[in-house]
Amino acid sequence: DGGITQSPKYLFRKEGQNVTLSCEQNLNHDAMYWYRQDPGQGLRLIYYSQIVNDFQKGDIAEGYSVSREKKESFPLTVTSAQKNPTAFYLCASSIGGQGYEQYFGPGTRLTVT
Amino acid sequence: QKEVEQNSGPLSVPEGAIASLNCTYSDRGSQSFFWYRQYSGKSPELIMFIYSNGDKEDGRFTAQLNKASQYVSLLIRDSQPSDSATYLCAVNNSWGKLQFGAGTQVVVTP
Repeated sequence: DGGITQSPKYLFRKEGQNVTLSCEQNLNHDAMYWYRQDPGQGLRLIYYSQIVNDFQKGDIAEGYSVSREKKESFPLTVTSAQKNPTAFYLCASSIGGQGYEQYFGPGTRLTVT
Repeated sequence: QKEVEQNSGPLSVPEGAIASLNCTYSDRGSQSFFWYRQYSGKSPELIMFIYSNGDKEDGRFTAQLNKASQYVSLLIRDSQPSDSATYLCAVNNSWGKLQFGAGTQVVVTP
């Protein structure tokens, strides 16, 4: 089965701790994305990567970091510098750039207290 | 002005009726348009995409695009309780960025 996996599904952390969210895809897609969704708001782009070893900041990159060492994997680290990290985090991928249809993983719900 | 605007709803639709969802966008150079369905607590699922003016049909769903008026709509025919969800409109603007609306909640009543 082709698809996108994210782990864990739920994550709880204390303030001041860094946390890494996993995203893996076996769709052979070149581009991968991280979004954040808050209640009542649309998806906001954190980071995206069009090819291995290259990534670009999205609209709300402050307090986040990513890496793209393999085509299949695009982990997101939420650092202690992110002021409001509690949110639903969604990873997506597409065959090409943002003009192509994006497919989403199941998401990780992060709660920081 | 938001780049992609949707009525937040809820849009209440009797079972078997047609649900009509609208989305307007501000960037006249936008090229590709997507509709996603999102059930509560779940991730968005792509249901339609459209690139050219006119209608595109897929099963009970029809996407309509009017670039001159800068709107894209989604029709859901023969609405079922399983269609109750939030529908997100996404637009790829002239800068190549995908912008999402906040979504329209649809409630199909038996």
